[in-house]
Amino acid sequence: EIVMTQSPATLSLSPGERATLSCRASQSVSSSYLSWYQQKPGQTPRLLIYGASTRATGIPDRFSGSGSGTDFTLTISSLQPEDFAVYYCLQDYNLPPTFGQGTKVEIK
Amino acid sequence: EVQLVQSGAEVKKPGESLKISCKVSGYSFTNYWIGWVRQMPGKGLEWMGIIYPGNSDTRYSPSFQGQVTISADKSVSTAYLQWSSLKASDTAMYFCARRYKTSWFDYWGQGTLVTVSS
Repeated sequence: EIVMTQSPATLSLSPGERATLSCRASQSVSSSYLSWYQQKPGQTPRLLIYGASTRATGIPDRFSGSGSGTDFTLTISSLQPEDFAVYYCLQDYNLPPTFGQGTKVEIK
Repeated sequence: EVQLVQSGAEVKKPGESLKISCKVSGYSFTNYWIGWVRQMPGKGLEWMGIIYPGNSDTRYSPSFQGQVTISADKSVSTAYLQWSSLKASDTAMYFCARRYKTSWFDYWGQGTLVTVSS
């Protein structure tokens, strides 16, 4: 099973700041099979990025994804109030697919 | 419009059985995998398993193999997650989601909260 490790666990930032979230895989993952999700309290997860770097429909361009192999990054260029949430990466390259444990982006 | 609508919250006792549902609309049910994801209280997302309704091909995470059963009924465009004997540790929110191109979950149900308590 591929273990996905996200860091940091919590990111405390102010609106307008840049957020950089990391997702590291225990073995190489094809970029095509790496996605990112946002979950706000009491809400359903929402697809942000698929294929490591492609924004899903309706996702603002302040969200970007990058990376390959074992290291992937989600960047939020300028945090908006609605971006404070928990973010998860998911690899669907090897069975079973596995989520990272999540990074909480909180207001500083 | 693609929609996945899950059945309502359940409160059960340990040892009881349960089947929750995920009814889809807005796309061809038999052409996409449907997955189930668990979220225990205050915790992260866990991938449980998936089913391809077109041929009922089903895959489970080892963590959930033998603990739950995933099924689908093409006639009503509905996927199911069931337990034969619930435990308190099954208390969680359960989400269904459509798996696109075998790679990501693009549409999600609203979640079904399952509470198991004596």
